[in-house]
Amino acid sequence: DQQVKQNSPSLSVQEGRISILNCDYTNSMFDYFLWYKKYPAEGPTFLISISSIKDKNEDGRFTVFLNKSAKHLSLHIVPSQPGDSAVYFCAASPNNAGNMLTFGGGTRLMVKP
Amino acid sequence: DTGVSQNPRHKITKRGQNVTFRCDPISEHNRLYWYRQTLGQGPEFLTYFQNEAQLEKSRLLSDRFSAERPKGSFSTLEIQRTEQGDSAMYLCASSLTGLYGYTFGSGTRLTVV
Repeated sequence: DQQVKQNSPSLSVQEGRISILNCDYTNSMFDYFLWYKKYPAEGPTFLISISSIKDKNEDGRFTVFLNKSAKHLSLHIVPSQPGDSAVYFCAASPNNAGNMLTFGGGTRLMVKP
Repeated sequence: DTGVSQNPRHKITKRGQNVTFRCDPISEHNRLYWYRQTLGQGPEFLTYFQNEAQLEKSRLLSDRFSAERPKGSFSTLEIQRTEQGDSAMYLCASSLTGLYGYTFGSGTRLTVV
């Protein structure tokens, strides 16, 4: 039972354009959502997060949108850069769970120069 | 601060052998987590500690797996009687209580042959 799903295993975008990575979840108890970026041979690196009381959080080129009614979140990267090429994981945490995260399967983003 | 350190980086073992991995968290972080990641999947939660107390264990953590965090500093994850299905990347992460964007190590890749 996959509670967090990233339905696109890969995404290719031209440098300078917008990258949109999507994530869906099924557990209505999730109240905190995060995005991680992973380069080969490294552990995931925290990128940006959003609480369920918000619908948008922005940090530089990265913006996360949350649609609670649709149980959907997305990560927008504008403008995309070749160094953004990596695997992106969304993750979610329920209330009072001690920070245990449930991860999606990841989306490999390739930004072409 | 050198981040989260995991040793060894790679381990190849024969089926039925026992293996032990070590994780050294960021020194001031009181929470430590173990996750497992198989190819093409996102990390899956195994267990976490707050200081030396193991507060939660996933049902993925069978009785062949045991984790310890003596004195609330480094942690070890032991797998007894390894099986081929144990082949995965084992990731350790640490954080301060209340912070979700925790820091991952680079992982230990286990191959059971």
